[in-house]
Formats: sequence, C-alpha cells, structure tokens
Amino acid sequence: DSGVTQTPKHLITATGQRVTLRCSPRSGDLSVYWYQQSLDQGLQFLIQYYNGEERAKGNILERFSAQQFPDLHSELNLSSLELGDSALYFCASSVALPSPGANVLTFGAGSRLTVL
Amino acid sequence: DQQVKQNSPSLSVQEGRISILNCDYTNSMFDYFLWYKKYPAEGPTFLISISSIKDKNEDGRFTVFLNKSAKHLSLHIVPSQPGDSAVYFCAASALQGAQKLVFGQGTRLTINP
Repeated sequence: DSGVTQTPKHLITATGQRVTLRCSPRSGDLSVYWYQQSLDQGLQFLIQYYNGEERAKGNILERFSAQQFPDLHSELNLSSLELGDSALYFCASSVALPSPGANVLTFGAGSRLTVL
Repeated sequence: DQQVKQNSPSLSVQEGRISILNCDYTNSMFDYFLWYKKYPAEGPTFLISISSIKDKNEDGRFTVFLNKSAKHLSLHIVPSQPGDSAVYFCAASALQGAQKLVFGQGTRLTINP
C-alpha cells in the first residue's frame, strides 16, 4: 500500500457521460499529480496541484478538469467521454513542490476507466 | 513528440543473469532521471534515480548509467530474480519543469527460472 488512495478502481460508462475520479494523497503530501496511461503508452502528465492551487498543466483536454480540496484530496472530472478516453488514470503525490533532483512521486494503484 | 523513448516493449532474461533496460531521450534540458517499476494492478513504484551531474548510480542489485552525450540511460539488474518481472518505466524531468515527469512507454521484463 503506497498510501495514495484512488477510487473507484474500475469504472465502466458510456460515451457522452461524465465521471469523477478521486484521489487521497499520502499523509503529509501537499502535491497531487494526475497521469493518464492509455493502452501500450507511457504515463502522460495531465495536471498538478499544490496545496489547493494548480501548479502545472500537461496535455489535459478541455473536457477534463481537476481540483484539490482543502483537505488535500483531489478529483479529476472527465466529461463528454469518448471511446479514446478509456485508460488507466493514476494519481501521485509528493511532499512538497518538487525541486530538481527530488522528483520522486508516490503513485496510487490507478482507476481503470472503460468507455463503451 | 515522444521525448523519452523505451524502444524495447519487452525483454526476457534468465534468472541470475543481467537484465539491461534502455531508455533514450531527446530533450537536452532534462537533468534528472528516474526508473519506476510497475506490477499488475499496482501503481508505479520508484526504483532508482540519477542526476545529470553523475554518470552512474548504484543501489544494491540496481545500477543506472547515464550517457549525456548520447542522451541515453540504462538500468542494469544483477542478478535478475523472478520478482523483478514487471514493467519498467524510465522518466525524466527538467530544471524548469520540475513539477512534471515525462515517462517512456515502458519495457515489460520477464525473468525466466
């Protein structure tokens, strides 16, 4: 158990629908990151929050949004779902803002989203 | 644009022998490199890292080598054990983009008894 909790573990939904993925970071970690892993692809960085504020953005679609709440948990909202959104979505956390040479992230087990 | 590439999707090695996983990168701004290991149904876990000021870092059976001129790094596992069977991801970050790690596609390592 890495200490990063993601729910749900699995989710099956239809095209056009909206889902919310939830992440609780490791105790004491202030930064939360979201990554997407599509079939046979590496992990693609989506977005990062630090202590409630957005700090970095990757290739996140406009249909996707995220936020980090005062209790530091984070939610990733995916709307108008398409077949291509089927993927593993990982959340990771770190103690603080990473500095060069200290980018060790702790990952959750992921949420597998299947869009039919 | 795949800035971090792992060209071997899979690798099979005999138990006790050396496993060598390779990774190439294109962004010369990357200055910190990591290897993550992933078992099925689990998230990636940190394995070993190396800063661009070094060319080698060792941790037990795991050694990472960095060749900056070739923009290439490799992970050596000696001796390989069945529990090393997993998907290995190479990742990199740059000074100015320290918030995000750029990952390769992963290499599935299978250790045969």
